[in-house]
Amino acid sequence: AQKITQTQPGMFVQEKEAVTLDCTYDTSDPSYGLFWYKQPSSGEMIFLIYQGSYDQQNATEGRYSLNFQKARKSANLVISASQLGDSAMYFCAMRIIQGAQKLVFGQGTRLTINP
Amino acid sequence: NAGVTQTPKFRVLKTGQSMTLLCAQDMNHEYMYWYRQDPGMGLRLIHYSVGEGTTAKGEVPDGYNVSRLKKQNFLLGLESAAPSQTSVYFCASSYGGSSYNEQFFGPGTRLTVL
Repeated sequence: AQKITQTQPGMFVQEKEAVTLDCTYDTSDPSYGLFWYKQPSSGEMIFLIYQGSYDQQNATEGRYSLNFQKARKSANLVISASQLGDSAMYFCAMRIIQGAQKLVFGQGTRLTINP
Repeated sequence: NAGVTQTPKFRVLKTGQSMTLLCAQDMNHEYMYWYRQDPGMGLRLIHYSVGEGTTAKGEVPDGYNVSRLKKQNFLLGLESAAPSQTSVYFCASSYGGSSYNEQFFGPGTRLTVL
């Protein structure tokens, strides 16, 4: 079965510091995608970044980068130069082709940026 | 281009009542999904559709039914609401089923069952 584990229920970071949100995954499928979504207090789900299982390089999107370590089955999100607006819940998710074609979500990490 | 929209945004039901949640997307996506999010948890898949006229069960389908009569719409029905169905419901859509296809989410519907 596929599973996503986010071990940090909450994190507190000073503004302008970099922050790493942990995500480990479990799947036996060789083809999968890893996603990070941000959920602010307003509730919507905002797509941040994607990493494919066959991608050779780590994905980057502006201040977001994904530290993909395939052998360790980890896909950590790195936010550089954090801002107050980064305060939100962050979800790691995995999508595989086989089975239910679904996104499997972790339980999330609540990130709080302090001024 | 509205993306994914959900109707209604909020709803309060009494136990045993029925209701339908409507999801609409204007991106011509083939795949559509219904998720529920309970407090402190990630999203869990209820049902999904890989195209007009098709539906399939997800991780937590019991107590829900769905229909996809038109490509742009995906309806989620609760025939007899129970307090355990109090949750926030998200609809999502994607162009295809490949692992690299991003899912676009609607704003969510907050449902309370008393």
